[in-house]
Amino acid sequence: EAQVTQNPRYLITVTGKKLTVTCSQNMNHEYMSWYRQDPGLGLRQIYYSMNVEVTDKGDVPEGYKVSRKEKRNFPLILESPSPNQTSLYFCASRFFRSSRAPGELFFGEGSRLTVL
Amino acid sequence: KQEVTQIPAALSVPEGENLVLNCSFTDSAIYNLQWFRQDPGKGLTSLLLIQSSQREQTSGRLNASLDKSSGRSTLYIAASQPGDSATYLCAVSRGAQKLVFGQGTRLTINP
Repeated sequence: EAQVTQNPRYLITVTGKKLTVTCSQNMNHEYMSWYRQDPGLGLRQIYYSMNVEVTDKGDVPEGYKVSRKEKRNFPLILESPSPNQTSLYFCASRFFRSSRAPGELFFGEGSRLTVL
Repeated sequence: KQEVTQIPAALSVPEGENLVLNCSFTDSAIYNLQWFRQDPGKGLTSLLLIQSSQREQTSGRLNASLDKSSGRSTLYIAASQPGDSATYLCAVSRGAQKLVFGQGTRLTINP
């Protein structure tokens, strides 16, 4: 089954304790991206990756890191989480054949993070 | 800067009605527009993708139209059912790097 898998789905942590949210897709998609969703602010892009070893900032990258060492995986790293990073996080992926024909975007189920 | 607006923010209709959800965007230079459904606390499920060269796409009871020149898209849902209750989001792409999302319309179908 084609899917984007995120882990953990729920996490409560404390300020400053490093954490990683994993994302894996089995569709051989080139493009992967992280979003956060907050009430009243909608979905905002954190980072994206066009392919292995190619990453770039989205709209709200502060406090986050990413890496893309393998095509299927795109982990989101919070080096020193703060309460303002409490949010619902989504990973997404799609084919990237050309910049003029971006494919359909597929989302993971989401990871709800609470930072105390 | 591209801005995407969905009005109304919430909509409640009786079961069986046909309904239209609206999405407007400020920059017509888009490559595609995608409609999603989101159930509470869940991920986004893709409903329809319309490329910029297309005028509409259909899937079952759903029909999405795109008018780039006016910066508008509509999602038509025929014969609504309680299971259609969810938040519907539209998003536009310009290039592969980024989607810009609307805030969504929260739809409730009353039995």
